[in-house]
Amino acid sequence: DQQVKQNSPSLSVQEGRISILNCDYTNSMFDYFLWYKKYPAEGPTFLISISSIKDKNEDGRFTVFLNKSAKHLSLHIVPSQPGDSAVYFCAATDAGNQFYFGTGTSLTVIP
Amino acid sequence: NAGVTQTPKFQVLKTGQSMTLQCAQDMNHEYMSWYRQDPGMGLRLIHYSVGAGITDQGEVPNGYNVSRSTTEDFPLRLLSAAPSQTSVYFCASSGQPNQPQHFGDGTRLSIL
Repeated sequence: DQQVKQNSPSLSVQEGRISILNCDYTNSMFDYFLWYKKYPAEGPTFLISISSIKDKNEDGRFTVFLNKSAKHLSLHIVPSQPGDSAVYFCAATDAGNQFYFGTGTSLTVIP
Repeated sequence: NAGVTQTPKFQVLKTGQSMTLQCAQDMNHEYMSWYRQDPGMGLRLIHYSVGAGITDQGEVPNGYNVSRSTTEDFPLRLLSAAPSQTSVYFCASSGQPNQPQHFGDGTRLSIL
């Protein structure tokens, strides 16, 4: 059973607007969450992370929000740029040795 | 700085054949892992290693073997390839298990 879920397979946003990518998880033991970005024919690259002791982490145009009670995290990209067009994966771990990934959301930023 | 290098990039096998997917990293990372990516399934962990000589199973280990004789290398072996193992395979590494991982560019494997 999928412990990390990304229910939106795709998202299209106009350049300059905000992109919001969502992720839900079921395991309450998860305490560290990450977002990766993936271009075609390349491996995923780390984007931003958040620990369960925080509810927000910001890095430039990227902000991740964590709502532990809802078991939900989101990635905000502001402003969105055409180069942000990629597949975004969220991932989670419970301080063990395994990461669990979502199925990915394909973001298209329209110029 | 090569990072994580995977070879080959593409491979076609026949059912029942065996092969080894190679993974090497030059960052002196202790933690290495193998994932497979299938449509609609995201990345699923096959095997991982927390250091030389130590390996363990992930979510989907059946049909695969690994070994970790050096810090740098973490090969993944398919013992008897099956069509269900057609996938894109990614190797990743990090300094510690709970750190963001660096990924290779993947091996696209087709089994006929």
